[in-house]
Amino acid sequence: NAGVTQTPKFQVLKTGQSMTLQCAQDMNHNSMYWYRQDPGMGLRLIYYSASEGTTDKGEVPNGYNVSRLNKREFSLRLESAAPSQTSVYFCASTRYGGNSPLHFGNGTRLTVT
Amino acid sequence: DAKTTQPPSMDCAEGRAANLPCNHSTISGNEYVYWYRQIHSQGPQYIIHGLKNNETNEMASLIITEDRKSSTLILPHATLRDTAVYYCIVTSPGAGNNRKLIWGLGTSLAVNP
Repeated sequence: NAGVTQTPKFQVLKTGQSMTLQCAQDMNHNSMYWYRQDPGMGLRLIYYSASEGTTDKGEVPNGYNVSRLNKREFSLRLESAAPSQTSVYFCASTRYGGNSPLHFGNGTRLTVT
Repeated sequence: DAKTTQPPSMDCAEGRAANLPCNHSTISGNEYVYWYRQIHSQGPQYIIHGLKNNETNEMASLIITEDRKSSTLILPHATLRDTAVYYCIVTSPGAGNNRKLIWGLGTSLAVNP
């Protein structure tokens, strides 16, 4: 049982390049989330998907798009990377979208130069 | 969701109990107290949650004051592997409320040999 798996673990991009961060969970969870974590700041929600087929913006969605490909997979796309998007990105999932505990992946460390 | 206040850092000797405080004086009647921790370079990990009664699981105990304005996470016999940042969060049940979580900077706990 792998839990929440994120790929890649590390990535370096040049300004203007695009990439997709992948996230998959094997716990049959309904809700999935993308967060970013920057030094000196708490986790901030980028996008979430309450259930398969739905997505919605979080606190900091600008510059990102998401796809809930199926119940297991939730991807985050940067269409034109900017240095301000240098961060650690975490994917999380929960069985339900209410107050059930979040399960996190181990993150993708992205640097945009 | 109510905000929380935690000390930025704490130390604990290995083998001793670690008592991590959290103030949530504006908590509402239906809001739960959640604790997560983040070990360096990993995703946050759920520890425990509670509403008004004290809770215990294999990882920790959660003591909530009678007026619910503060709580304490207790790691009964801290080990070096418990060195991490601990986050106290309050949230209400209900669909989609995980997206409203406010992640502060938590308490950085150092367990010393």
